[in-house]
Order: sequence, then structure tokens, then C-alpha cells
Amino acid sequence: DTAVSQTPKYLVTQMGNDKSIKCEQNLGHDTMYWYKQDSKKFLKIMFSYNNKELIINETVPNRFSPKSPDKAHLNLHINSLELGDSAVYFCASSQGWDRGTEAFFGQGTRLTVV
Amino acid sequence: GENVEQHPSTLSVQEGDSAVIKCTYSDSASNYFPWYKQELGKRPQLIIDIRSNVGEKKDQRIAVTLNKTAKHFSLHITETQPEDSAVYFCAASIGGQFYFGTGTSLTVIP
Repeated sequence: DTAVSQTPKYLVTQMGNDKSIKCEQNLGHDTMYWYKQDSKKFLKIMFSYNNKELIINETVPNRFSPKSPDKAHLNLHINSLELGDSAVYFCASSQGWDRGTEAFFGQGTRLTVV
Repeated sequence: GENVEQHPSTLSVQEGDSAVIKCTYSDSASNYFPWYKQELGKRPQLIIDIRSNVGEKKDQRIAVTLNKTAKHFSLHITETQPEDSAVYFCAASIGGQFYFGTGTSLTVIP
């Protein structure tokens, strides 16, 4: 039973296209995140959601738009893809805001923009 | 926001030796410090964590220490094995947000 699952696992697309990545967690967690991991392996927070509400948007271009239809899902839509968007995107969830508990990560989506 | 620095960026040790990774953080309000291990092509997974009211925690070959005054925390792996080879990330959590260090690529040489 996968706790945090993302689809697709791999995504290859051309510059200028629009794409979405889906994330679902079955842990009953209140908080979900999107992280971007670049080629240097740095894990950079993009968005944090708590109970479907956006808490933090860390200087991410407007082309990135998260959507949380319910507490178990946090999807990421990217418009007008650029070469620099190529990275691995990780969804994660944790029990709740300021609960001091671990974040569980999805398996990642490797996005390649050509 | 919180700033987490991690050193070294790469570390090679002989099998059986110890490995130490150090992190510092900037915001004294950070209250939870997890460590993650990421194997090649896999997701980061928690290996150990420590809360701000604890100075040290140990789990078999892995231990973490926290010095709140100096705002630094360290990961210690003893009796390293080849399967310990991976990228390790420290993180500091404040208000539910996780701020990660830049990662340490650990190689254990058989």
C-alpha cells in the first residue's frame, strides 16, 4: 500500500507545453507539499498546503499552479514549460502543520523538458 | 526564512569506519530535525529524527545530536556498510515547514 503516490513517474515534453503531476496520500495527513530536486540534488520547497489551504508559496513562477481538491490530493500544473523546469518533483505529506512529525515522500516525477 | 547549511557535500569512508555529517540552522524557533537518506533514483526516507527538547538520540548504528545553543545538529553513522552509501539530507522544521540542507553524498568503500 503506497502511502504517497505520484503520477506519472516520468514525463518528457517539449518546451511551451502544459503538463500536470498528480499526488495522492492515504495516510490521513492534513499537510502536503511539493518539492523540486534539481541536478545538484538540492530539495527546494515549492508549495505547502494545510487542510486544502495554501500556506506557503516559495517564490515559484506563476506558471506553476497547485490545486488541492481535497486533503488527500495535491496536484501540480505547469504552464509553458521551460528547459529549466527539468528536475525531479517530489510530493510529500505530514501529519499536520506544526506537529513536528516526519514528511513522507512520493516516489518522484522526473520531468524532462526538451 | 530558515537557512540550513550542511557539510561536507561529499564523504568517502572505508567500510567499518564512522561517518559524521554536520548541519547548522538559523532560526531558533525550529523545533524538529529529521534526517533523510536518499538512494539513487529513490525517494528520501526518514532514518532518524530529534526534537528540540532532546539532546541526543540513537537507533542502532545511527545517532543524532542537537546543540540548541549553537544551533547545530549532527548525524553519526558507526560501523558503516556499503548499503549506507546514499545522499543524506538534514532538515529543520518550523511551523510545519521543512527546510533541507544541501545534502551529503556518502560513499562507503568495501
